[in-house]
Amino acid sequence: KAGVTQTPRYLIKTRGQQVTLSCSPISGHRSVSWYQQTPGQGLQFLFEYFSETQRNKGNFPGRFSGRQFSNSRSEMNVSTLELGDSALYLCASSLETDYEQYFGPGTRLTVT
Amino acid sequence: AQKITQTQPGMFVQEKEAVTLDCTYDTSDPSYGLFWYKQPSSGEMIFLIYQGSYDQQNATEGRYSLNFQKARKSANLVISASQLGDSAMYFCAMSVYSGAGSYQLTFGKGTKLSVIP
Repeated sequence: KAGVTQTPRYLIKTRGQQVTLSCSPISGHRSVSWYQQTPGQGLQFLFEYFSETQRNKGNFPGRFSGRQFSNSRSEMNVSTLELGDSALYLCASSLETDYEQYFGPGTRLTVT
Repeated sequence: AQKITQTQPGMFVQEKEAVTLDCTYDTSDPSYGLFWYKQPSSGEMIFLIYQGSYDQQNATEGRYSLNFQKARKSANLVISASQLGDSAMYFCAMSVYSGAGSYQLTFGKGTKLSVIP
């Protein structure tokens, strides 16, 4: 069974731009969660999608948004990028009612 | 609110020795899951082991075992026979039900393990 895939793996953007990251979950998994990892704040939960609906959201500004498609693939978007948005963005997928989350390799975003 | 505490920012262990990574947690939810993940320098989070709050026995997965002490709210990871490839960041995490069918993971700050030849 293929794992969680994330594209792109690396990204360099300029302040003020916007960016879209993509995540394809494990086949059969309907839940996708997004996390931001920075050296200062560690791993922080962004949001979770299930069946194209956002079920849960972390404490991030409205510049961070996401969506999920009917095939469970998910995208997250960050508008008006700030230097502090530089981070590793990880997505994880899980079954509908399962605790376990399986992570992708992450997208490393650098904002200059 | 959920909280995970990992008090060891970094640890060293000799190759082939056992090592214990500490993790304490705090939650008022009676139902939760505890996880350990390994993160090599490549960035990917690798699932190691899971313990449910109602599980009576400590979880084991190959060289990994989880020392679950519910009354003390601790979930320490024990790695036996350390290998050079075990050098990585290790994260303890807790999953609780957050409503609307959603489970949310809360992570600790991590412990950087270095295995010495």
